[in-house]
Amino acid sequence: DAGITQSPRYKITETGRQVTLMCHQTWSHSYMFWYRQDLGHGLRLIYYSAAADITDKGEVPDGYVVSRSKTENFPLTLESATRSQTSVYFCASSDSDLGEWSNQPQHFGDGTRLSIL
Amino acid sequence: AQSVTQPDIHITVSEGASLELRCNYSYGATPYLFWYVQSPGQGLQLLLKYFSGDTLVQGIKGFEAEFKRSQSSFNLRKPSVHWSDAAEYFCAVGINDMRFGAGTRLTVKP
Repeated sequence: DAGITQSPRYKITETGRQVTLMCHQTWSHSYMFWYRQDLGHGLRLIYYSAAADITDKGEVPDGYVVSRSKTENFPLTLESATRSQTSVYFCASSDSDLGEWSNQPQHFGDGTRLSIL
Repeated sequence: AQSVTQPDIHITVSEGASLELRCNYSYGATPYLFWYVQSPGQGLQLLLKYFSGDTLVQGIKGFEAEFKRSQSSFNLRKPSVHWSDAAEYFCAVGINDMRFGAGTRLTVKP
């Protein structure tokens, strides 16, 4: 079925470890996004990508790395996890024209709940 | 600074009662406006959007929202709430980027 898939759904790791969250979409949407969701903050944008090999920082990019070698995949890596990165992470996509992503609704995955001990 | 405010963290309504969830924004120009719903353990689902034109927009699941430029508001309404509407609701505002409100959790009493 078409959609956006995140894996894993749950992850527990320790501080200092590297962890990668995966996101895969089958719509061929140009834009993809990573958000974190924390109580009292709603969703905050970490990174986004307009197309393969084009990425840009969002509101809270520190401590995260992204890449997009293929249109359908947009992995998020925490290079050295910290407790403050414990959160629920959502990947989203939208079918937006280049440079016009704020005027299109986004389609969300079911999230990855990440706990860092 | 640009911001999105959902003043109500938690709202409880009785099944069958009407609902209004508030959303206010602070932007220099009229942004693109969205409402999303999130059920437990799931991602966000679009309820409706406003870009321009008629200030009253209809969405899925019987929801509607009204854009009021003078009040910088985009409140979500439903005439009669069903138990299945219990969820978290997020307002989002887009202009050069996308900002989400902190969310309003809706509880429905039987």
